Amino acid sequence: DADVTQTPRNRITKTGKRIMLECSQTKGHDRMYWYRQDPGLGLRLIYYSFDVKDINKGEISDGYSVSRQAQAKFSLSLESAIPNQTALYFCATSDPSGSFTDTQYFGPGTRLTVL
Amino acid sequence: GDSVTQMEGPVTLSEEAFLTINCTYTATGYPSLFWYVQYPGEGLQLLLKATKADDKGSNKGFEATYRKETTSFHLEKGSVQVSDSAVYFCALYNAGNMLTFGGGTRLMVKP
Repeated sequence: DADVTQTPRNRITKTGKRIMLECSQTKGHDRMYWYRQDPGLGLRLIYYSFDVKDINKGEISDGYSVSRQAQAKFSLSLESAIPNQTALYFCATSDPSGSFTDTQYFGPGTRLTVL
Repeated sequence: GDSVTQMEGPVTLSEEAFLTINCTYTATGYPSLFWYVQYPGEGLQLLLKATKADDKGSNKGFEATYRKETTSFHLEKGSVQVSDSAVYFCALYNAGNMLTFGGGTRLMVKP
């Protein structure tokens, strides 16, 4: 079984709809991240959480919100989806070794299309 | 701010050819440098990393040397295989900041 899972894997929705992307991990890591991937732009950080009570905005948090329901679960919400949020979304985790330089483990991604 | 620049792809090679994917960075201080690989339909996974100048990271036949004088971290492999076809991302972490990724370089290896 995969250590970091994301649901759904693919989603097509319409402008204005609320969407939730879910991430679960069995690695026992405290740190979790949400990124979006756009062609030619690499990955950009949306939100990150270093433990259940810690939520931080990343580079591109506008239009997104997150919820850290438990150590193992980190959800990303789009309250009112818009077409330029069409992208591939990745969840990642890392081990709290006291440094951000530790390895990040990625889920398989969710491809979101907003019409 | 910090930035990472990679050569644009796609890079198309024949099996057993030599691979170089260029990566240069802009950052203050002494960042750590990474190469991540994304196989089709999968998430990213760490390929190799280097945490200080002149360090060489290596894994699965790939290697990259942290060159502070040229602010580069070029990825190389002596003989590529079809199974190496993927998208490769160069990334850096600078203390107090977030992980910064380059735009990715798609590698296609033909038999």
